[in-house]
Amino acid sequence: QTVVTQEPSLTVSPGGTVTLTCASSTGAVTSSYYPNWFQQKPGQAPRALIYSTSNKHSWTPARFSGSLLGGRAALTLSGVQPEDEADYYCLLFYGADRVWVFGGGTKLTVL
Amino acid sequence: EVQLVESGGGLVQPGGSLRLSCAASGFTLSSYWMHWVRQAPGKGLVWVSRINGDGSSTSSADSVKGRFTISRDNAKNTLFLQVNSLRAEDTAVYYCARGIRNSYGFDYWGQGALVTVSS
Repeated sequence: QTVVTQEPSLTVSPGGTVTLTCASSTGAVTSSYYPNWFQQKPGQAPRALIYSTSNKHSWTPARFSGSLLGGRAALTLSGVQPEDEADYYCLLFYGADRVWVFGGGTKLTVL
Repeated sequence: EVQLVESGGGLVQPGGSLRLSCAASGFTLSSYWMHWVRQAPGKGLVWVSRINGDGSSTSSADSVKGRFTISRDNAKNTLFLQVNSLRAEDTAVYYCARGIRNSYGFDYWGQGALVTVSS
């Protein structure tokens, strides 16, 4: 069973910078996993932020960026705003089995 | 404007069945892969199933194989998820999501449909 692991929780101060990571139990995450990142606030549907490692959607604020870091996918928030407090999920594509797996999510607190 | 609207959720007894629908508008459904994702109360997102543009290819998570079937009617701009042999652990909000063309992610999501499995 493939497991995708994220930090359960992180705290950041307003205006600060924070990096969330996403690891795969199968080994290093590469661009071939097409990492995606989603934001979800309480009572709302998820909202897409990043696709294919580092590409932003037209609605994604500039302070969000995606990358690969040390064998993991990463989402960096620079200049964090209070409204960024939310759950963040990564998604990896496993091409051999044609399946997708979400990470367990990171609860980001802005304090 | 792209819109996805789920329907068909509700309360069902263990062992029962439901068919979830996702009405798509604002884009040509046949040009996109589509997905179902679920979220149990207070838990994280779980990918459930995916279907390609013309419905000829599907894939599903091991936890639902043999019980859930994804399908689509492009003429009616609608995606479906037939859920059978329901268990308490299938209780969740079920979201449909649009795949990103030439990539393997999702962009637009519906608002979700709640399925509650309980006697």
